[in-house]
Amino acid sequence: QSALTQPASVSGSPEQSITISCTGTSSDVGSYKFVSWYQQHPGKAPKLIIYDVINRPSGVSSRFSGSKSGNTASLTISGLQAEDEADYYCSSYTSIGLYVFGTGTKVTVL
Amino acid sequence: QVQLVESGGGVVQPGRSLRLSCAASGFIFSSYGMHWARQAPGKGLEWVAVISYDGSNKYYADSVKDRFTISRDISKNTLYLQMNSLRAEDTAVYYCARDLGDYGALSDWGQGTLVTVSS
Repeated sequence: QSALTQPASVSGSPEQSITISCTGTSSDVGSYKFVSWYQQHPGKAPKLIIYDVINRPSGVSSRFSGSKSGNTASLTISGLQAEDEADYYCSSYTSIGLYVFGTGTKVTVL
Repeated sequence: QVQLVESGGGVVQPGRSLRLSCAASGFIFSSYGMHWARQAPGKGLEWVAVISYDGSNKYYADSVKDRFTISRDISKNTLYLQMNSLRAEDTAVYYCARDLGDYGALSDWGQGTLVTVSS
C-alpha cells in the first residue's frame, strides 16, 4: 500500500492559520471516515490530535481542526504558536483492512 | 494513566530474529486493539501490524507480511512482535500503540525501542 501524500513542509507566522493536506485514494481516505492526524516533536512519540476526520481527543487544543473532501483530508492549525512546530502525519484505514500513514509534513513557525 | 513500555530492541544481524515486547498498564488490555508502527532514522512513520482486542484478527503491512507476527498475552497484559528474517531496511524505532476504537486512531503510544539490523 502506498503512503498518503502530504506536502513536505508548511510554514507560517505566529497567530496565522495553516492547512496541511493529505491525499489518498478511493480505497482509503475517500471511502472511510477513519482518518487520523498525529503531531510528533523531535525525539518524541507521536501524539494523536485528530481522529475520525474531525474529532479531537480530550486535552487537544481547539486550534487543531480536521476536514475531508473526496480523497483529500486536511488539518488546519489556527492561531499558530511556537509549540506547534513539529512533524505532522495523517493516517487512514484502507479497504483491505490495513492502515497507512502519510509522508509527513514539517511545520515551521517563522 | 495509560502506559505502554516497549522492550527487546537491539542490534541484530541480517537474517536473524528478534522479539519485541510491549507491557501495557492503566487500561483494560483485553478490550482494545493494538498496533505496531515503526520509524526508520530520519524518516516518516510506517504502520506495521494490528491485532484485534481478542487476538482473533491480525493484519500486516506488505513489507513485513510472512516475516513478522503480532500476538498478545492477556494474562500478562503484553503485546509482542516476533520479527524473523530481518533485513537492513527493518532498522527503525518500533512503537506499540493502543487503538482508540476499531479503526486505527492510535490514542496512546509507547516511547519506542530501536532495532538495528546490521552485520
